[in-house]
Amino acid sequence: SQQGEEDPQALSIQEGENATMNCSYKTSINNLQWYRQNSGRGLVHLILIRSNEREKHSGRLRVTLDTSKKSSSLLITASRAADTASYFCASVHTGNQFYFGTGTSLTVIP
Amino acid sequence: EAGVVQSPRYKIIEKKQPVAFWCNPISGHNTLYWYRQNLGQGPELLIRYENEEAVDDSQLPKDRFSAERLKGVDSTLKIQPAELGDSAVYLCASSRRGGGPRFFGPGTRLTVL
Repeated sequence: SQQGEEDPQALSIQEGENATMNCSYKTSINNLQWYRQNSGRGLVHLILIRSNEREKHSGRLRVTLDTSKKSSSLLITASRAADTASYFCASVHTGNQFYFGTGTSLTVIP
Repeated sequence: EAGVVQSPRYKIIEKKQPVAFWCNPISGHNTLYWYRQNLGQGPELLIRYENEEAVDDSQLPKDRFSAERLKGVDSTLKIQPAELGDSAVYLCASSRRGGGPRFFGPGTRLTVL
């Protein structure tokens, strides 16, 4: 399978804490994207980081990319109950080949 | 702008029956994708269209799955006959360009009994 790996598979935190999830991929990328999926819904695009970027911010989201380690991390600061969802990374490769990771299930406890 | 529309949202059928899913992408998005998502997994691509042309269908089980995108807008995905292992969520997505963000519909949850 070309799917990347994400860890942890599941994460449970208290509201207000930070949540960090990691993604690894297998071959060189053009960009890497993060998506959120609420239960029973489709995926929603959160943020895109290009292969020549190392860090990117969007609101309470911070994404880092380490191409030497073929890995990325997503940090959600000051988490809220509404952040409860599954989070997927997607690596985009040559020819726009697009592979989703296995996902991290985040639960934020009020 | 309106999002990606899919129907039906849920479908329960018995094995060996046919089933079809419909998708209307975001206006102006030339690229359309069908994904299958099994429980606890990320989506896996079944087929990608650029306008009317299927440019990547390498993961589509062609013995029982078929898809079409008439006039480069709406698309249908068909399974005939369905098997127990086809139970999954079928997601449609669209994008302006291949490497950019993908916009997903709510999905169709298929249960094959």
